[in-house]
Amino acid sequence: GESVGLHLPTLSVQEGDNSIINCAYSNSASDYFIWYKQESGKGPQFIIDIRSNMDKRQGQRVTVLLNKTVKHLSLQIAATQPGDSAVYFCAEKDRGAQKLVFGQGTRLTINP
Amino acid sequence: ETGVTQTPRHLVMGMTNKKSLKCEQHLGHNAMYWYKQSAKKPLELMFVYNFKEQTENNSVPSRFSPECPNSSHLFLHLHTLQPEDSALYLCASSPRTSGEETQYFGPGTRLLVL
Repeated sequence: GESVGLHLPTLSVQEGDNSIINCAYSNSASDYFIWYKQESGKGPQFIIDIRSNMDKRQGQRVTVLLNKTVKHLSLQIAATQPGDSAVYFCAEKDRGAQKLVFGQGTRLTINP
Repeated sequence: ETGVTQTPRHLVMGMTNKKSLKCEQHLGHNAMYWYKQSAKKPLELMFVYNFKEQTENNSVPSRFSPECPNSSHLFLHLHTLQPEDSALYLCASSPRTSGEETQYFGPGTRLLVL
């Protein structure tokens, strides 16, 4: 069956360092992946997405890497800032489906 | 975040009460969603509406009743809920329901069932 999960429930990094948040998925038919950020008291906010025909996509200070061989997705945040503190969710979509399946989330905390 | 609004932000209700959650999107989207977010669990899709028509009911108990009078408004009517229904209820919208379009979420309604 399909499942989306995260390797670590929490991640602490020093301000200014790079953060890497990982996500594993099991559905080989997944063709679209997305990362969301959820700050305390707010709804999830889109960060970046990637389709299965790509291995890497870059945004502003963020990079998403997709390794289809091992069914692994990662979100890299460069020069982590206090405002990056949040819970990060990955989600995936099956090729034949129209809905997203969300992972549990990783809480990122920034140490000053 | 003002693109999708939800009211109320917080709600406490007894198991015999009837209440409604409201969602409004100002983005001109045609698809709207209800999600349930419980502690330590992934976001759970509940309902999907596309052009006011329900296209997905993810095996949600009948004590949750959605209503979509137009593409901009979505309601979730609640009655005879259980304590385990306590959660954050999130509304989202997207241009369509292809799954590959960014869903814009509201701030959620935090519900406590006593």
